[in-house]
Amino acid sequence: GNSVTQMEGPVTLSEEAFLTINCTYTATGYPSLFWYVQYPGEGLQLLLKATKADDKGSNKGFEATYRKETTSFHLEKGSVQVSDSAVYFCALSEDGGFKTIFGAGTRLFVKA
Amino acid sequence: NAGVTQTPKFRVLKTGQSMTLLCAQDMNHEYMYWYRQDPGMGLRLIHYSVGEGTTAKGEVPDGYNVSRLKKQNFLLGLESAAPSQTSVYFCASSLDSLNTEAFFGQGTRLTVV
Repeated sequence: GNSVTQMEGPVTLSEEAFLTINCTYTATGYPSLFWYVQYPGEGLQLLLKATKADDKGSNKGFEATYRKETTSFHLEKGSVQVSDSAVYFCALSEDGGFKTIFGAGTRLFVKA
Repeated sequence: NAGVTQTPKFRVLKTGQSMTLLCAQDMNHEYMYWYRQDPGMGLRLIHYSVGEGTTAKGEVPDGYNVSRLKKQNFLLGLESAAPSQTSVYFCASSLDSLNTEAFFGQGTRLTVV
């Protein structure tokens, strides 16, 4: 079945460092791909998405490119801030369907 | 602009007790979901619904029941709570099969002692 694998955390960075969180997926069709973010004590909220190969999703300085050839959707940000500390979830939505499958999440700590 | 609202936010149950978690959305979404979130395991789908009056099992349905009598509400029931059901529960909704972005509630932290 479809699945999402993302790098284990926690990831600890200093403010203004470069961030990469790796995500790879397994899917039989052409899923949409998402990154969700969960701040402490809150539910998940959509950070960015891409619906087809080579699409780049971006929001709040974060970006990720849908790479079908490597089945990847890595999250990047050029300069992280303390306020980016959160748990990040990579996810896919099954082709033509409605269920979203989530990765295990990667916790990010950003130090001042 | 309420979005997805879950009640209650916190609850402590004794083993064997029952309870119902309520999820309400005001976005006229067709699809609704219940997930549980456990450390190191991400979110796992318990049950979901593709429309009023329909429900289906997800990845971890045992010990839970759901109902979707009204389009805007999705109830999750625990008939006989067990310590293994201690978790944070999230409700989510999405518009349709083309617009699959999920909108989440703030979660219910349930402890079964």
